[in-house]
Amino acid sequence: AQSVTQPDIHITVSEGASLELRCNYSYGATPYLFWYVQSPGQGLQLLLKYFSGDTLVQGIKGFEAEFKRSQSSFNLRKPSVHWSDAAEYFCAVASLLNDYKLSFGAGTTVTVRA
Amino acid sequence: IAGITQAPTSQILAAGRRMTLRCTQDMRHNAMYWYRQDLGLGLRLIHYSNTAGTTGKGEVPDGYSVSRANTDDFPLTLASAVPSQTSVYFCASSDFGASEGGYTFGSGTRLTVV
Repeated sequence: AQSVTQPDIHITVSEGASLELRCNYSYGATPYLFWYVQSPGQGLQLLLKYFSGDTLVQGIKGFEAEFKRSQSSFNLRKPSVHWSDAAEYFCAVASLLNDYKLSFGAGTTVTVRA
Repeated sequence: IAGITQAPTSQILAAGRRMTLRCTQDMRHNAMYWYRQDLGLGLRLIHYSNTAGTTGKGEVPDGYSVSRANTDDFPLTLASAVPSQTSVYFCASSDFGASEGGYTFGSGTRLTVV
């Protein structure tokens, strides 16, 4: 069965510190990988996506993610967190084998302390 | 501005009532999706349509139905609403298969069943 796992339900980080959010997937084919961010009461905003090519992907708001096929992971990172990064983050995966239906992880809530 | 329009934005509905959530896209995407978002569960796929005239069941289809009479519209119907259908509903579309364009999401419908 295809699945997406975000092991961390909640992360608290100090402003200016680095942030890493984990995402693992289980798919039978080359996946298309996404990270979305959602502020309270808002819709989903795409941070970055990986389809092919360079495994280190740069996104908006200073975020980057690295695709590691051997570890089935697509972790999201930011070197220095701002208070405005407090939000919920979702990893999502699609593949041809699953008809490109997008499957989401349960999400990680990020709290930023001053 | 190209995108997805969902209506209504929010709704309070009495249990047992019938309700249709509307979704319209203007990007001529072949595929459309309905997700529900619940705390701690992320977004779960309810129903999808890969092209006009076809629909399929997602992860949590019970109590919901959809139709895809044309490319642009993908309404979601709750035949007889129950409190467990209280959720935020997101419509999405994609042109995967035709190109690697990714996914576009609507702003969501917040539904409360009382």
